[in-house]
Amino acid sequence: EIVLTQSPGTLSLSPGERATLSCRASQSVSNFLAWYQQKSGQAPRLLIYDASNRATGIPARFSGSGSGTDFTLTISSLEPEDFAVYYCQQRVNWPPTFGPGTKVDIK
Amino acid sequence: EVQLVESGGGLIQPGGSLRLSCAATGFTFSSYAMSWVRQAPGRGLEWVSAISGPGLTTFYADSVKGRFTISRDNPKNTLYLQLNSLRAEDTALYFCARGRFPYGDYGYWGQGTLVTVSS
Repeated sequence: EIVLTQSPGTLSLSPGERATLSCRASQSVSNFLAWYQQKSGQAPRLLIYDASNRATGIPARFSGSGSGTDFTLTISSLEPEDFAVYYCQQRVNWPPTFGPGTKVDIK
Repeated sequence: EVQLVESGGGLIQPGGSLRLSCAATGFTFSSYAMSWVRQAPGRGLEWVSAISGPGLTTFYADSVKGRFTISRDNPKNTLYLQLNSLRAEDTALYFCARGRFPYGDYGYWGQGTLVTVSS
């Protein structure tokens, strides 16, 4: 099973700041990595697929990069609605796995 | 508009059974693979199972293999998850999700149905 590790566990930032979230895989997942945002009491929302492609309707301030084992989700300038938990997920092989999440909260 | 609406959750004793349903609208259901993903209270996301569009191929997480069964009724646009031999650790919010077969990513999610396994 591929283990995904996310860092940091919590990121405390102010609106307008840049957020950089990391996801590291225990073995290569090529570019088969997605990022999701989840707000309290809501279902996850797909942000990025295949490491760097924004999903439909996702603002340009969200970007993804990386391949192999190291991936980054960047939010260029945090909006109030961006404070949430972010998960990465790999789909390269069975079983698909999610990282433990990074919480982005308001400083 | 794609909509996924889960139902069937509830409080069940250990060892019991439940059947979850996910009603799909807004797309050609039979053309898309579907999955179940769960989230224990206060915890992260865990993939549970996936089924191909025609329903001929299924995949399960080790933690549920032999106890849960995924199925679909394409004419009824409905996805199911039969949960048997339930354990306390199966307590979670169960989401149905539409995504690429077989292992995601998941662009559409329902709001989830809560399964609580407790005596």
